[in-house]
Amino acid sequence: GNSVTQMEGPVTLSEEAFLTINCTYTATGYPSLFWYVQYPGEGLQLLLKATKADDKGSNKGFEATYRKETTSFHLEKGSVQVSDSAVYFCALDLDSGYALNFGKGTSLLVTP
Amino acid sequence: DAGVIQSPRHEVTEMGQEVTLRCKPISGHDYLFWYRQTMMRGLELLIYFNNNVPIDDSGMPEDRFSAKMPNASFSTLKIQPSEPRDSAVYFCASSLGTGGSYNEQFFGPGTRLTVL
Repeated sequence: GNSVTQMEGPVTLSEEAFLTINCTYTATGYPSLFWYVQYPGEGLQLLLKATKADDKGSNKGFEATYRKETTSFHLEKGSVQVSDSAVYFCALDLDSGYALNFGKGTSLLVTP
Repeated sequence: DAGVIQSPRHEVTEMGQEVTLRCKPISGHDYLFWYRQTMMRGLELLIYFNNNVPIDDSGMPEDRFSAKMPNASFSTLKIQPSEPRDSAVYFCASSLGTGGSYNEQFFGPGTRLTVL
């Protein structure tokens, strides 16, 4: 079945540092890939997505490229801010395409 | 649109009591999902509906849990009887459909359940 594995946190960075959060997937067929973000005390919200190989999703300075050859969808940001402190979830479509399978989440703390 | 609405936001109850969580999806969304989030197990899909019909309830932990969607604008998740291990944040989410640009899920703010 389809599943994702993402790096364990917590990740602690200083403001303006470069961020990478790794995500790899196992899938049958061609799933869509997602990054969701959860700010403290809130529900998850979509950060970016990619629906086919080599697509790059981007939003709010974050980017991720759908790499079929390495089955990866790593999240990157060139310069993080304190306001980026949150939990980040990688996800993909389940086999049915109807629901999403989420990774365990990676907590990011950005310090001034 | 107001987004996905969940109530209550916080619930504290005693073991053995019945708990009912409520969700109003975004108008026009055909899919509704219930998730549970804990530190130990992360985010787990419990059940999801399509056009008010339960499609997959394989994530429901046991018979103490039940979910209904009597109409397109309302769903409930009930736990009876509740146990301390049910303590978690329960999220409801909805989406337009599946595939392509339709499968973005919109999450509610969650209900934090504490069972003493």
